[in-house]
Amino acid sequence: DQQVKQNSPSLSVQEGRISILNCDYTNSMFDYFLWYKKYPAEGPTFLISISSIKDKNEDGRFTVFLNKSAKHLSLHIVPSQPGDSAVYFCAASDVDQAGTALIFGKGTTLSVSS
Amino acid sequence: DAGVIQSPRHEVTEMGQEVTLRCKPISGHNSLFWYRQTMMRGLELLIYFNNNVPIDDSGMPEDRFSAKMPNASFSTLKIQPSEPRDSAVYFCASSLGPTTTNYGYTFGSGTRLTVV
Repeated sequence: DQQVKQNSPSLSVQEGRISILNCDYTNSMFDYFLWYKKYPAEGPTFLISISSIKDKNEDGRFTVFLNKSAKHLSLHIVPSQPGDSAVYFCAASDVDQAGTALIFGKGTTLSVSS
Repeated sequence: DAGVIQSPRHEVTEMGQEVTLRCKPISGHNSLFWYRQTMMRGLELLIYFNNNVPIDDSGMPEDRFSAKMPNASFSTLKIQPSEPRDSAVYFCASSLGPTTTNYGYTFGSGTRLTVV
């Protein structure tokens, strides 16, 4: 059973508007979350992260929100640009448990049209 | 730094053949991971090594899959015999540790495997 779920396989947004990508997790021991971005024919690259002690982390146009009680996080991109078109993966880890690797979701394909 | 280097970039092989994927991690990284990307399962962890020692291989699909890390700068993922359902993109990643809280893992560009 998937511990990290991205239930929307795809999302289409117009340039300049907000993109909201969602992620749910089931393991309450997860305490660190990351978003990765992947272009075709390339490996995923780190985008932004958040620790469970925070509920928001912002980096330029990208903001990640964490709702621990709902076991839900979201990535907001404002304003969206055509270059943001990519697959976005949500990942989670249990930092306190040594020896556990990042668990990824299935990914959401974002398409930003100009 | 050249990043994580994977070879080959593309591999097409016939069912039943042996396939070997290769990975060179970033120098100084002591954790190495093999992930597989498919439409159905997304990015799934196959196996990871810490200081060249396999730590978690619970994601390896079956005995046809094996992975080695003979030294800190090289790892292989072998499939023998290969089957069409093994067709996927295989990624290698490395990091300073399995549960790093800095920038996560650095991924290679992947190997696209097609088994016909």
